[in-house]
Amino acid sequence: DAGVTQSPTHLIKTRGQQVTLRCSPKSGHDTVSWYQQALGQGPQFIFQYYEEEERQRGNFPDRFSGHQFPNYSSELNVNALLLGDSALYLCASSGLSGRSSYEQYFGPGTRLTVT
Amino acid sequence: DAKTTQPPSMDCAEGRAANLPCNHSTISGNEYVYWYRQIHSQGPQYIIHGLKNNETNEMASLIITEDRKSSTLILPHATLRDTAVYYCIVTAGRRALTFGSGTRLQVQP
Repeated sequence: DAGVTQSPTHLIKTRGQQVTLRCSPKSGHDTVSWYQQALGQGPQFIFQYYEEEERQRGNFPDRFSGHQFPNYSSELNVNALLLGDSALYLCASSGLSGRSSYEQYFGPGTRLTVT
Repeated sequence: DAKTTQPPSMDCAEGRAANLPCNHSTISGNEYVYWYRQIHSQGPQYIIHGLKNNETNEMASLIITEDRKSSTLILPHATLRDTAVYYCIVTAGRRALTFGSGTRLQVQP
């Protein structure tokens, strides 16, 4: 059973450019959440998708946008990149478990460097 | 989501049990206690979660006090590979996870 996968693993972009990160959820999961983790800090919630709609959003500007596809995979788009967007971007998937809870399982992350 | 409080760091000898405490005094009735850990530069790893009963799986045990205001994660036989930052998170339903500072566990040989 494949876990959560993310692509690419690493990415280097220039200020002002746009980037798209991709995530495939764990089999059986219908919800995808995205987190940003700056160096030395804990992950910060960006937004969550299920049923192809954004359901929750953290305190991030609208330069950060996303999409969920019918197969539950998801994309995170960041426009007008800033140096401060350099971080590890984590995708987590979840679905209703047998215990009526929604444990989130994380992918390995995409390391984005903005120069 | 209820706020959690964890010690910033702990040491444990290899082979011994590691007991990581967490306070969550404002937990609501429908909120679960989740534990994750993060080894340097990797994605957080789900460990275990519980609502009110104690739980055990192949990785760890979770002890929740009767009033649900605190919990303890137990790694029964810590190894060097258990060195990581451990996060205690309280949430319900599909709500986002709010990561605090966690506890940095150092397993010593």
